[in-house]
Parts: sequence; C-alpha cells; structure tokens
Amino acid sequence: NAGVTQTPKFQVLKTGQSMTLQCAQDMNHNSMYWYRQDPGMGLRLIYYSASEGTTDKGEVPNGYNVSRLNKREFSLRLESAAPSQTSVYFCASSSSGPGFFFDQETQYFGPGTRLLVL
Amino acid sequence: GESVGLHLPTLSVQEGDNSIINCAYSNSASDYFIWYKQESGKGPQFIIDIRSNMDKRQGQRVTVLLNKTVKHLSLQIAATQPGDSAVYFCAERDYYNNNDMRFGAGTRLTVKP
Repeated sequence: NAGVTQTPKFQVLKTGQSMTLQCAQDMNHNSMYWYRQDPGMGLRLIYYSASEGTTDKGEVPNGYNVSRLNKREFSLRLESAAPSQTSVYFCASSSSGPGFFFDQETQYFGPGTRLLVL
Repeated sequence: GESVGLHLPTLSVQEGDNSIINCAYSNSASDYFIWYKQESGKGPQFIIDIRSNMDKRQGQRVTVLLNKTVKHLSLQIAATQPGDSAVYFCAERDYYNNNDMRFGAGTRLTVKP
C-alpha cells in the first residue's frame, strides 16, 4: 500500500514550457486535491476533485488545469509555466470530500514535487 | 481577511519535555481543525483533529485543545522525542465557505538531545 505517490520529484522548467504533474492513490479514496506550498506560507489549494468525474477550483487555480483521469489518478497541468509557479506541489486524497463525514475528511499527502521555473 | 496563523514560528525544547504549539484562528465559522506534522522534504502527515463541538481530544502522546471563546487551538506533545522535530501546522475548515480548508504557515519544532 503505497498511499499517495507523485511524479516527478523534481523538475526545472523554463518560462513558457508546459508540464504535467502526476498523482495516484491506492487507498480507494473518492476525493483528491492539489496544493502548492511556498516558503513562509501555508498550503494553498489549487484544485480539488470531490469524486471521480468532478473538479473544482480552489484558492489559487489561475495558470493550472487538472484532470481526474479515474478514481486513482489526478493530474495537474501547467500550460505555460511562469516563475511565480516555482513552488512545492503536494497531492492529497481523502475518503470523502469536504462537508462529509468527520473522520473521513482526513487528507493523506504525497511526498511532493519540487518545481523551479526559470 | 480571516486567516489561520501561528503564534511562534520556532520552538526549541529539550528531549523529554512537553511541547505546546499554538494556533490562532479568526473565523468563527470554522467547525473542524486538524494538526499536521511535516518533516523536511516530506509531505504533511495527519496527527490529530477536533471538531468545534469538542474542547479536547487525545491521541498517542498528543492532545489538541480548542478554545472557541478566544479562537485558539493548541497541540501538546508529551515527552518530546528527537523524531518529533518537524514543522507543525494547523488547518481549519470553513463550514460556510464551501468547506474550504485553510492552512497555517507552521511552527518549526526542534528537539535538543
């Protein structure tokens, strides 16, 4: 049981390049999330998917797109990378989405992808 | 705007001592709170959570206290060990704002042997 896995671990991009961050979970969770973490700041939600087939914007969605490929996989795409997108990106999953059962909202995080945009 | 915050950015304790990490919140609509631990180079790890209808919840060596009157949340770690060294941050859920989860920046706990 690997939990939440993310690829790649590290990536360097030039401004304007595109890339897709991959995330997969093997816990049969319904909900998945993408966050970014910047120095001195808390995690900020980019997009989330409460269930397979649905996606919603979070706090900072601009410049990103997501795809919930199936129940296991949730990808984050940067179409035209900018230096402001330099960050550590975390994927997370939970049994249920926001507003559902108390103990099932616990989010389990992946190890992160460190992205540098030059 | 309303936000989740932390009183202290760093905390240093002796091994074996108890640690108390604090978190202030200003959103009275928050109904659910979580503490996470994040070790260097790793993703956040769930420690313990508490609902707004509770004042206290205990786990293994950890206790979370919630004071809704002053909008304050604390994490107590008993008999702190070197493996507890990490960044700890709290998160709150805003029931009236689409159940958004907001995270604090974190407190770095260093345990001295």
